[in-house]
Amino acid sequence: KQEVTQIPAALSVPEGENLVLNCSFTDSAIYNLQWFRQDPGKGLTSLLLIQSSQREQTSGRLNASLDKSSGRSTLYIAASQPGDSATYLCAGGPMADSWGKLQFGAGTQVVVTP
Amino acid sequence: DAGVIQSPRHEVTEMGQEVTLRCKPISGHNSLFWYRQTMMRGLELLIYFNNNVPIDDSGMPEDRFSAKMPNASFSTLKIQPSEPRDSAVYFCASTFGPEAFFGQGTRLTVV
Repeated sequence: KQEVTQIPAALSVPEGENLVLNCSFTDSAIYNLQWFRQDPGKGLTSLLLIQSSQREQTSGRLNASLDKSSGRSTLYIAASQPGDSATYLCAGGPMADSWGKLQFGAGTQVVVTP
Repeated sequence: DAGVIQSPRHEVTEMGQEVTLRCKPISGHNSLFWYRQTMMRGLELLIYFNNNVPIDDSGMPEDRFSAKMPNASFSTLKIQPSEPRDSAVYFCASTFGPEAFFGQGTRLTVV
């Protein structure tokens, strides 16, 4: 069974600093990897999706990489802002015919202080 | 599109009562997923449907839980009878391709 681990569990940084969030998975048969943001009491917002054939994806200040051989994905958030404070979750999808059947990490809780 | 819509947003019920959670997936999406989030176990997949057909219900914790998808635009998750340990946030998600889109969740409290 795929296990997904996120380190660190919590992170507090001053505004303007770059954020590096790590996600590791045990099964390299992962098909795609998706990063989500969750605000307190809210749903999950999809940030970036890295498909099996890709190594990274970028959206604005966000960049996510995927290294299947080492079982790792990293989410970079450049020039952090207080509005980036949230919990960030990574999730791996096992196969192409069950997109959405995701194995989630426990999340990294991020606080960006002004 | 309004995204995945779940109702109710909050539900408080007494132990032993029947609870029904509802989900409307994004129009055109052909797969629907029910997840549960708790502090102890994080996000867990309960069941998913492809083209309205249940494919994998191995995550459903007990026979007290059941899910249906009578058509492409509606799904329900029912708990009967409910127990305090069922208290959690229940999410519905839908996909058409590799990206999953989640609803705002239903926070269920069983007292």
